[in-house]
Amino acid sequence: GDSVTQMEGPVTLSEEAFLTINCTYTATGYPSLFWYVQYPGEGLQLLLKATKADDKGSNKGFEATYRKETTSFHLEKGSVQVSDSAVYFCALHYLSIQGAQKLVFGQGTRLTINP
Amino acid sequence: DGGITQSPKYLFRKEGQNVTLSCEQNLNHDAMYWYRQDPGQGLRLIYYSQIVNDFQKGDIAEGYSVSREKKESFPLTVTSAQKNPTAFYLCASSPRQSSNQPQHFGDGTRLSIL
Repeated sequence: GDSVTQMEGPVTLSEEAFLTINCTYTATGYPSLFWYVQYPGEGLQLLLKATKADDKGSNKGFEATYRKETTSFHLEKGSVQVSDSAVYFCALHYLSIQGAQKLVFGQGTRLTINP
Repeated sequence: DGGITQSPKYLFRKEGQNVTLSCEQNLNHDAMYWYRQDPGQGLRLIYYSQIVNDFQKGDIAEGYSVSREKKESFPLTVTSAQKNPTAFYLCASSPRQSSNQPQHFGDGTRLSIL
């Protein structure tokens, strides 16, 4: 079945460091790919998305490129801030045969940024 | 502003009791979903509903029940049959049959067993 594998956490960086969180997927069709962010005690917020191969999603300085050849959707940011501390989820998104949306999540990567 | 409201934020249950988690949305979305989140794990789908008066089991439906009597509401009941109910529960909604529109999430309810 479809699956998403994320880089093991937790990840701890200093402010202004470069961030990469790896995400690879297995899918039988042509899914969309999403990154969600979860701040402490809150639900998930969509951070960025890409709907087809070679698309680049970007938001708030974060970006990720849909790489079909390597089945990857790595999240990157050039200079992180303390406010970026959160849990990040990579997710694969498709429609089932019955027309229902399905999201398959990675296990999440906890990111802590120290001042 | 449109959004999803989950209540309560924290909920405590005694052994053997059923408990109901509320989820209301004013986004005019047709589809609604319930997920369970455990520490160090991704979200797992419990139930989903594409339209009023219809719902389907997700990957971990055992010990849970839902209803969808109104478009705006999708309550989740955690029954006494659920042996390990302590978790963070998230409700989501989305437009129906649109593969590129993301699901919107509520802020969650944390359920604990006394």
